[in-house]
Amino acid sequence: DVKVTQSSRYLVKRTGEKVFLECVQDMDHENMFWYRQDPGLGLRLIYFSYDVKMKEKGDIPEGYSVSREKKERFSLILESASTNQTSMYLCASSLEAGELFFGEGSRLTVL
Amino acid sequence: DQQVKQNSPSLSVQEGRISILNCDYTNSMFDYFLWYKKYPAEGPTFLISISSIKDKNEDGRFTVFLNKSAKHLSLHIVPSQPGDSAVYFCAGNTDKLIFGTGTRLQVFP
Repeated sequence: DVKVTQSSRYLVKRTGEKVFLECVQDMDHENMFWYRQDPGLGLRLIYFSYDVKMKEKGDIPEGYSVSREKKERFSLILESASTNQTSMYLCASSLEAGELFFGEGSRLTVL
Repeated sequence: DQQVKQNSPSLSVQEGRISILNCDYTNSMFDYFLWYKKYPAEGPTFLISISSIKDKNEDGRFTVFLNKSAKHLSLHIVPSQPGDSAVYFCAGNTDKLIFGTGTRLQVFP
């Protein structure tokens, strides 16, 4: 079974703090994605990557950056957290474009 | 620009009856569509998909219908079970998945 592991299930941070969300997948998938889920807004794509060292902006990249130094690991970085970044963050991977395998999510609260 | 729309934020259905979840899209370039199911505090899990060249795909209790001329797809669950209570997202695929806003399904006894 594909496993996508997100390092933290729940985080509480203060405004202005730097936040790292880590994601690791164990199925040698080329593609990795970061989404956020908010009530009434569904899943919105923040960044994605089709290869190591490669990254592409999704629909809402502002305030975020990513890092993919190894194939299995895709990190989401909030350089200076703000309250409007309080959300559920979901990492996903896929072998080809299409069916995504999601992690369990990281619920971030920014105070 | 909301390319995938789920206009019903919630749906309540009695156990044993049919649940119909609807999804509309605007992007004619979607080459296939997927439905995901999400329980609270868990990541979404893949449920069923349909290619844009098909009009129906069935998997057990789940059937997805695609009407390309109307740019509409629907997910039918029959019979509905309490364990089906979750949020359902439809998504269209081009080079990446574009998700709708989700419909919360509640199946009551």
